[in-house]
Order: sequence, then structure tokens, then C-alpha cells
Amino acid sequence: RKEVEQDPGPFNVPEGATVAFNCTYSNSASQSFFWYRQDCRKEPKLLMSVYSSGNEDGRFTAQLNRASQYISLLIRDSKLSDSATYLCVVARNTGGFKTIFGAGTRLFVKA
Amino acid sequence: DVKVTQSSRYLVKRTGEKVFLECVQDMDHENMFWYRQDPGLGLRLIYFSYDVKMKEKGDIPEGYSVSREKKERFSLILESASTNQTSMYLCASSLEVEGYTFGSGTRLTVV
Repeated sequence: RKEVEQDPGPFNVPEGATVAFNCTYSNSASQSFFWYRQDCRKEPKLLMSVYSSGNEDGRFTAQLNRASQYISLLIRDSKLSDSATYLCVVARNTGGFKTIFGAGTRLFVKA
Repeated sequence: DVKVTQSSRYLVKRTGEKVFLECVQDMDHENMFWYRQDPGLGLRLIYFSYDVKMKEKGDIPEGYSVSREKKERFSLILESASTNQTSMYLCASSLEVEGYTFGSGTRLTVV
């Protein structure tokens, strides 16, 4: 079983739709959580950190549920430019620094 | 903004050649990483470094070595390139358990 699991998709949604991505992690010692966005043939870029209290950045909302070891990303009012792969990332610093990337969820937003 | 610069965007090398991939970051980050990314396999950690002259093996170090003589520079070396090392190589840097900044990647083809 992978330490960080994501639905690979692809998710095909129309413009204006709300879409949610889920991610589960297996190591309860995980401390930091992130969502990255990766455009085709480009490098991953940090989209947002994820906090227990939840956080929002414009149309994007991230949630963390430590009890269920679950992270989510909600995109409201999808734009064509949101089409990308979204990577869930989990990090810990217990006896060594370790960051684990999920394999990513592919999103296509259609006109 | 942190900038991570990889020396080449595209590279074509012959089987058996020694290949050097260079990465430089300009924000005094202690941590630097080399990943490769392949379709369906996601990001896989090759080597990482927490300090000058320090290096640690990641998940797939075989066939690779690294060098970190200066804090800002982390080099990945393919001792004898093989066709199965054809991939996208991504360098990243970070501060402790924080989000990464990636370079734009080097797409290496070994023929």
C-alpha cells in the first residue's frame, strides 16, 4: 500500500463546476501537508499548505482530518486554466526528514 | 521568490556516457533533492542533502551519485547512462519540513 494515495482520475468537469480531490495518508506521524499543482510538462508548484483548521485561497479550499488521515482540496467555479495534475504531499520529520508525493489527480476543465 | 535553476532543459546522451545534471538555488536553503518523474510512477526520490558535503540515498539511488560542495549547488551524476534512465529529472530545495520549490526540470533522453 502506498503511503499517500490519490484517485488518479482523470476528472472531467465543465467550467463553473465544483470539484473535490481526496487524499489519504498512512503514517500518523505526518506533520505537514500540501497540495501542489503540475501543468503538463512543467514542474510541480506549491498550491497551498493544508492546516487542521482548514484554509482557503480564493476558489480553493483545503481541509485536513488527522483522525481519519485524510486531506481534501475543493475547487469552486472551475476555470479552463485549472486543468492540471494536483499532487497531494505529506511530510514528517521523525528520525529523518521525509516528504512523500502522491501520484497526482488529473483534472480537465472543459468549456 | 526562491529560484531553483537547472542547467539544461533538454539533454540527449548516449548509453554509457557520464552525465552531470546541475542544480542551483538562491535562497540559502539547507535541503536539496533530486527526483525523477515518469508517467504512471509519479515523483521518485533519488538522493537528497541536508547540508554541504552531506548526502542521503532516496528510494531509487542505484545508478546515480550526487555532489554538494557548496550550499547552493546540488549535482546529480549518472555514472554510466542507460536507456532506463530516460526521464524527467527535477531538483528541489526547501527549508525544513516546508513546501518545496522545484526547478523547471531536465528532460533526459539516453539513446
